[in-house]
Amino acid sequence: QQQVKQSPQSLIVQKGGISIINCAYENTAFDYFPWYQQFPGKGPALLIAIRPDVSEKKEGRFTISFNKSAKQFSLHIMDSQPGDSATYFCAASIRADGLTFGKGTHLIIQP
Amino acid sequence: GAVVSQHPSRVICKSGTSVKIECRSLDFQATTMFWYRQFPKKSLMLMATSNEGSKATYEQGVEKDKFLINHASLTLSTLTVTSAHPEDSSFYICSAYSLVANYGYTFGSGTRLTVV
Repeated sequence: QQQVKQSPQSLIVQKGGISIINCAYENTAFDYFPWYQQFPGKGPALLIAIRPDVSEKKEGRFTISFNKSAKQFSLHIMDSQPGDSATYFCAASIRADGLTFGKGTHLIIQP
Repeated sequence: GAVVSQHPSRVICKSGTSVKIECRSLDFQATTMFWYRQFPKKSLMLMATSNEGSKATYEQGVEKDKFLINHASLTLSTLTVTSAHPEDSSFYICSAYSLVANYGYTFGSGTRLTVV
């Protein structure tokens, strides 16, 4: 049973555009929802994270929108740049029990 | 900020030998460390959770006798792949968790294991 469903699997966005990646979860006990960026051959790096008592969080060009009732959260990358081309993973956890990852989105920003 | 150091970054070993991977939290004490496995173009799968001074908890389907985890201190955890086989070839990533300073989960840079 996949507890965190991520879409799309791949995404192509023009430079300067908005990249949007969506995730849905099933377990209402999840209380931490981070997004990670991963480049080939590297470990994932935390981009931004949110807890369920907040509906939106913005850090620079990255925004998380969280809809608790729909059990969905999304990542928006504003003014997307070629350097943002990477694989993005959403994840969820219950306290310190470890992260459950989505399947990932391969994002390509075209110049 | 929180930094997790993982070594080695790459290792090639012969079938039947054992390989040890180290994961260190450099500037914080990790209450819990996690080990993940990632196949090419796939997501990260949690293998096991370890707390300092206690036995690791393995996820369903992960062989605890093949993937030995030792969490000797609040800053060091090791994963030993015993009697490695080609199917153990993968990207292994550790993560350290700490509530102090709201670090949450911090990942190492990963270890590419190739068994020949």
